[in-house]
Amino acid sequence: EAEVAQSPRYKITEKSQAVAFWCDPISGHATLYWYRQILGQGPELLVQFQDESVVDDSQLPKDRFSAERLKGVDSTLKIQPAELGDSAMYLCASSLYADRPSTDTQYFGPGTRLTVL
Amino acid sequence: AQSVTQPDIHITVSEGASLELRCNYSYGATPYLFWYVQSPGQGLQLLLKYFSGDTLVQGIKGFEAEFKRSQSSFNLRKPSVHWSDAAEYFCAVGINQAGTALIFGKGTTLSVSS
Repeated sequence: EAEVAQSPRYKITEKSQAVAFWCDPISGHATLYWYRQILGQGPELLVQFQDESVVDDSQLPKDRFSAERLKGVDSTLKIQPAELGDSAMYLCASSLYADRPSTDTQYFGPGTRLTVL
Repeated sequence: AQSVTQPDIHITVSEGASLELRCNYSYGATPYLFWYVQSPGQGLQLLLKYFSGDTLVQGIKGFEAEFKRSQSSFNLRKPSVHWSDAAEYFCAVGINQAGTALIFGKGTTLSVSS
């Protein structure tokens, strides 16, 4: 069964450093999501892509976070500089369609656990 | 704005006993509703989803959920819990727009005692 791939699985960094996370969605999936999950909480959307275009980045802290999906396939999420409060699990998800909610199931990757010291 | 409430932070159930996890949502129209499960350090796995039609939805691993519009609820049930069901469970709502992200509850941690 096809899966969403993410790397690295774990990242430890010091505050003020730059970090980057990579996501490869299920082949053919048009929509890609980045979520942040703070320990003890549910995931919260950071950014949503439809192919290579950003659909929703209203919750992305744009002063330090950036995301891209240049060819409409894989995606990179970057934090620069990292802050202590960025420690969380960063989850990537993908779904096949963007215009058919009845089949728009999101499939999640294993996540990247970020620890900022 | 839409929201999801999972009233129980932590539940402990004996192995073989029945399980019900509660979920309440706030949304003006009929939402899309989901239950996901997350094992420690892992991503989320979809258990089941409701979009329309029959209000009793069957999912994987023997789980089912019932949509009750009058109560704005979508509770997850399982008749007999196995030790491997210990995990964190998230209820989520999607609004009726194309390509929408999900809004998650804070989750319920399930422990299974022997």
